[in-house]
Amino acid sequence: SQKIEQNSEALNIQEGKTATLTCNYTNYSPAYLQWYRQDPGRGPVFLLLIRENEKEKRKERLKVTFDTTLKQSLFHITASQPADSATYLCALLYTGFQKLVFGTGTRLLVSP
Amino acid sequence: GAGVSQSPSNKVTEKGKDVELRCDPISGHTALYWYRQSLGQGLEFLIYFQGNSAPDKSGLPSDRFSAERTGGSVSTLTIQRTQQEDSAVYLCASSLDGTGGFGGNTIYFGEGSWLTVV
Repeated sequence: SQKIEQNSEALNIQEGKTATLTCNYTNYSPAYLQWYRQDPGRGPVFLLLIRENEKEKRKERLKVTFDTTLKQSLFHITASQPADSATYLCALLYTGFQKLVFGTGTRLLVSP
Repeated sequence: GAGVSQSPSNKVTEKGKDVELRCDPISGHTALYWYRQSLGQGLEFLIYFQGNSAPDKSGLPSDRFSAERTGGSVSTLTIQRTQQEDSAVYLCASSLDGTGGFGGNTIYFGEGSWLTVV
């Protein structure tokens, strides 16, 4: 079965630094991968999508990479701000399936 | 509406009772999903509706769980004879169409229904 691993420990960084979150998966590569932000008591909010044939995607201060050899996606937030503090979830869609499989998420804390 | 709407936002029920959770997807969205999130856990897929196709029920944890979608819009998730392990946030999401294929349409989540079984 598909397995997605995200660091369960919170990531603490200082404001202005770059936050890097990791999503590792096992078995075969997904058709595409999405990153979501989830604030406490709220539903996840879509941030970025990257397809299996793409290496990198950017959106404002966000950057996602996708390495199908390492079976890993990295999610970067540059010039981080305290408002970026949240839990970030990665989700994968595998060819032939119609539902996203989510990781458990990594909590990011940005200190002023 | 502007977003995915779920009700009730909070529900406390006694063990053994039935509960119904409602989801109003974004107007025009043909795909609708139910996920469950237990405290500190990731999202667990429950069921997926796409247009008039038969739903994908592969994630429903037991036969106490069922869901329907009427008129291709509103969906109701029913949990019969609730157990304490059913306590979780039940999240509904919708997208313009299915997430399969090259489109990879964005999924929009509601704020969830927080269920506590005592």
